Amino acid sequence: EAGVAQSPRYKIIEKRQSVAFWCNPISGHATLYWYQQILGQGPKLLIQFQNNGVVDDSQLPKDRFSAERLKGVDSTLKIQPAKLEDSAVYLCASSSSTQETQYFGPGTRLLVL
Amino acid sequence: AQSVTQLGSHVSVSEGALVLLRCNYSSSVPPYLFWYVQYPNQGLQLLLKYTSAATLVKGINGFEAEFKKSETSFHLTKPSAHMSDAAEYFCAVSERGYNKLIFGAGTRLAVHP
Repeated sequence: EAGVAQSPRYKIIEKRQSVAFWCNPISGHATLYWYQQILGQGPKLLIQFQNNGVVDDSQLPKDRFSAERLKGVDSTLKIQPAKLEDSAVYLCASSSSTQETQYFGPGTRLLVL
Repeated sequence: AQSVTQLGSHVSVSEGALVLLRCNYSSSVPPYLFWYVQYPNQGLQLLLKYTSAATLVKGINGFEAEFKKSETSFHLTKPSAHMSDAAEYFCAVSERGYNKLIFGAGTRLAVHP
């Protein structure tokens, strides 16, 4: 069974630029999560989808971050414009339902200069 | 509000020695508790979970953890460390089952010969 796929694995941009990350969850998984992991900290949930609907986006900085999961499968997280403090690893996770274990992808490491 | 404290950002043990990684949590309701491991440049992998059943939980790779309500602790142990156990370990708590995981800051485990 293929795991959670994420791309790109690494991205370097300058502040005020835009960036997008892509996630393809495990086949059949209805629930998808995006986390932000700043160096030296644990992951922090940004947004949770159930199929193509948002369940929880209370910690998403909506002035600059957006996410979508239009067909209930893969998802895109965008930052526009990026700030220095957005430098982090962005992890995507999926689960078969909201009451099952989350499986994590390898992450996208973002460096904002 | 729920929170997780992991005592010791770095732990170093000798190969074959006992591994003890500490986790204390705060939760207003009976929590679900998790330990995840993260190897370099990889996503998080679930080691074990407590979901209100047996208080002693066994996981993969010989790890186990004991839920102690009176101490609000969920420490991770392994009787004999292997070099391959070197990684970062994260404790997480949830008041909503498998959703809205709150992670600790992590403990980096080093295993030396």
